Amino acid sequence: DADVTQTPRNRITKTGKRIMLECSQTKGHDRMYWYRQDPGLGLRLIYYSFDVKDINKGEISDGYSVSRQAQAKFSLSLESAIPNQTALYFCATSDPQGGQRTGELFFGEGSRLTVL
Amino acid sequence: AQTVTQSQPEMSVQEAETVTLSCTYDTSESDYYLFWYKQPPSRQMILVIRQEAYKQQNATENRFSVNFQKAAKSFSLKISDSQLGDAAMYFCAWPKNSGYALNFGKGTSLLVTP
Repeated sequence: DADVTQTPRNRITKTGKRIMLECSQTKGHDRMYWYRQDPGLGLRLIYYSFDVKDINKGEISDGYSVSRQAQAKFSLSLESAIPNQTALYFCATSDPQGGQRTGELFFGEGSRLTVL
Repeated sequence: AQTVTQSQPEMSVQEAETVTLSCTYDTSESDYYLFWYKQPPSRQMILVIRQEAYKQQNATENRFSVNFQKAAKSFSLKISDSQLGDAAMYFCAWPKNSGYALNFGKGTSLLVTP
């Protein structure tokens, strides 16, 4: 099983619907992230969390919200989806305490969301 | 501003040849790591190689190596003896201020031809 698991892997929805993307990890890392990938734009940070009580906005948080239900779970919600939120979404973790403090990110397999 | 840029949206290389993907970045940090990630069609993000900024020696992982020029803030990835399985999108990445997350370049799509 993957260390960082995202569900669903693919989702098609309609404008105005509420969507939740879920992420769980077995790596024991405190830090979790949500990134969005668009063609030609690379990956951009939506939200990040250093622990259950610490949640922070990234550079493109408008239209999104998150919930850190436990150390291992970090969910991303789109309250009212719109077509320009069509993208590939990645959850990632990091461990600043373990091993080398490199900042390396460990990614889930991505959730492709299409908003019609 | 801290940015990571990849100036080559697409590149092509023949099997067994060598290709270099470029990346430039901007930072005022002195102690940091740089990364190259590979994203094959499966869309999984896979770490290819990391470079520690305060080390003079360029990192190497089998056929992958970097050319790190700290003063020029340049971090290129060299792939030797290219294989069909190297075809993918490649992203360079650099930690944001205080290292709380990574910035990513826009990516270079590498095509490997037989």
